[in-house]
Amino acid sequence: NAGVTQTPKFQVLKTGQSMTLQCAQDMNHNSMYWYRQDPGMGLRLIYYSASEGTTDKGEVPNGYNVSRLNKREFSLRLESAAPSQTSVYFCASSEQDSQTYEQYFGPGTRLTVT
Amino acid sequence: AQKITQTQPGMFVQEKEAVTLDCTYDTSDQSYGLFWYKQPSSGEMIFLIYQGSYDEQNATEGRYSLNFQKARKSANLVISASQLGDSAMYFCAMREPLRSDMRFGAGTRLTVKP
Repeated sequence: NAGVTQTPKFQVLKTGQSMTLQCAQDMNHNSMYWYRQDPGMGLRLIYYSASEGTTDKGEVPNGYNVSRLNKREFSLRLESAAPSQTSVYFCASSEQDSQTYEQYFGPGTRLTVT
Repeated sequence: AQKITQTQPGMFVQEKEAVTLDCTYDTSDQSYGLFWYKQPSSGEMIFLIYQGSYDEQNATEGRYSLNFQKARKSANLVISASQLGDSAMYFCAMREPLRSDMRFGAGTRLTVKP
């Protein structure tokens, strides 16, 4: 099992460009999440999908959109990148959207917006 | 208000010794989950251990144990017999019911000295 995979690993964008971060999990998990990690701030939730067919905003959703393509895949789109979106992005999945289940993380995507 | 507090930005420990990483949390819920993650320099987030708020016994996973003191709202991670490979950032996280996100602390950087 690969677990949670993310592509790309690194990306540099110019302000105003768009891109989609891809995430897939092979653990048959119901719930998937997108976080961003900024220095000194831990991880913050951008969007999540509690189950296939549903998506909801997290703590910092502005400037992002998501698509739960199927049970395995959950993508994050930046429509018009801004320097404030320079961050490391993590996708995660969990068996259930519940406080008793751990979340498993992908390797991360390091995004720089110039 | 900060939900998860890790007061030790950095810690040093001698190889083969035990180390305790502190974590306090704030919640008014009775049911919640507490988690510890390890982030090595390669960047991935690795799940280490979980403690449910109703669990009467402290969680253990190999060399990791969680010193859970519910009344004090603390969930300290104890690593026994430290190894050089334990050098990493360690994050404490909490998950509350009706919330989909993990709330992370700012992390503690552990360095194991040979």
